[in-house]
Amino acid sequence: DSGVTQTPKHLITATGQRVTLRCSPRSGDLSVYWYQQSLDQGLQFLIQYYNGEERAKGNILERFSAQQFPDLHSELNLSSLELGDSALYFCASSVEAGGRNEQFFGPGTRLTVL
Amino acid sequence: QKEVEQDPGPLSVPEGAIVSLNCTYSNSAFQYFMWYRQYSRKGPELLMYTYSSGNKEDGRFTAQVDKSSKYISLFIRDSQPSDSATYLCAMRMSTGNQFYFGTGTSLTVIP
Repeated sequence: DSGVTQTPKHLITATGQRVTLRCSPRSGDLSVYWYQQSLDQGLQFLIQYYNGEERAKGNILERFSAQQFPDLHSELNLSSLELGDSALYFCASSVEAGGRNEQFFGPGTRLTVL
Repeated sequence: QKEVEQDPGPLSVPEGAIVSLNCTYSNSAFQYFMWYRQYSRKGPELLMYTYSSGNKEDGRFTAQVDKSSKYISLFIRDSQPSDSATYLCAMRMSTGNQFYFGTGTSLTVIP
């Protein structure tokens, strides 16, 4: 158990809908990263937050947004869902203390768009 | 060209074999190198973390970094069926916070 929690584990929804994925980082970690992993695809970096502020952006669609709250949990919002958004969504957290900065992953949320 | 290249496999070996997994990269600014293990679509689990060039050993696992060749390796000795998983390499620069992942190599260890 990495200490990173994600809810829900599974989500089934229809095209055009909006969903929210939630992540709680490990205790003491200030940074949260979101990734998308589709079938036969590697991990695609979406976005990073550090202590409430957006720090880095990857291949995140405009229909997707995220935020990190004062208690450091983070939410990833996916709107106007398309079939191609079906994937595993992972959250990872890190402490970012000096140079060493290891990411620890949550168990993921499996999103199915029908 | 992708920042990090990794042979997707699949790789199938008999139990007890030595496994070699590799990644190449193009950005010479990468300083930190990691290997993750991912079981059947679960969250990736950090296996090895190395800084700059050299070797690091942890039990049956050895991570090797050759920065001059932009090449990293993970060796698994005495492979076990429980090692069957997808192995992802990852790396990042000394500044900045983005991690760059390979696409993963699928490994099956046959009893």
